[in-house]
Amino acid sequence: DGGITQSPKYLFRKEGQNVTLSCEQNLNHDAMYWYRQDPGQGLRLIYYSQIVNDFQKGDIAEGYSVSREKKESFPLTVTSAQKNPTAFYLCASSRIQRTDSPLHFGNGTRLTVT
Amino acid sequence: GENVGLHLPTLSVQEGDNSIINCAYSNSASDYFIWYKQESGKGPQFIIDIRSNMDKRQGQRVTVLLNKTVKHLSLQIAATQPGDSAVYFCAENRYGGATNKLIFGTGTLLAVQP
Repeated sequence: DGGITQSPKYLFRKEGQNVTLSCEQNLNHDAMYWYRQDPGQGLRLIYYSQIVNDFQKGDIAEGYSVSREKKESFPLTVTSAQKNPTAFYLCASSRIQRTDSPLHFGNGTRLTVT
Repeated sequence: GENVGLHLPTLSVQEGDNSIINCAYSNSASDYFIWYKQESGKGPQFIIDIRSNMDKRQGQRVTVLLNKTVKHLSLQIAATQPGDSAVYFCAENRYGGATNKLIFGTGTLLAVQP
């Protein structure tokens, strides 16, 4: 089945450590996205990529970094500079970076930093 | 995510009843709206969309109504089932606009009582 795989489902880290969240898609989509979801808030865009080797900051990029070396993969690194890293992180993809091209979401990674 | 239901408005319905979930959107220029369903521990799933040239659109057991005058959107679920229990949220943007401009609502938790 085609889809988006995020791993791991749960991740625990100590403060001061960088951590990388994995996102892989086999939908042959050009565009990929990282969102953050916090209780009582709408999804907020961290980073997005329209094509391999290119990515742009979203609304809350500070403290995060990404890479897009392969079409299928868009890993997100949560750095120690992110002040409130504990959250639910969602990866998504779409055929192209337009709203009439539906977003497909992974099942998320729950990151807890203590 | 697992905690996304906290702090959210909750709609509690009996199995078999109809459910109506509301969403007020913010941007008068938005002409494209999407409803998502998010089950606990999973990523959002596309349910139905509507463009502003329509007032109503029907899917399987779901209907979306759009009132542009008061910037209000509603999702009606007929004969609600336990499997419909989830968080539902809307998103708005321009049709054909950039996906990174999608604005997501905070969501409503639908709890179906058997």
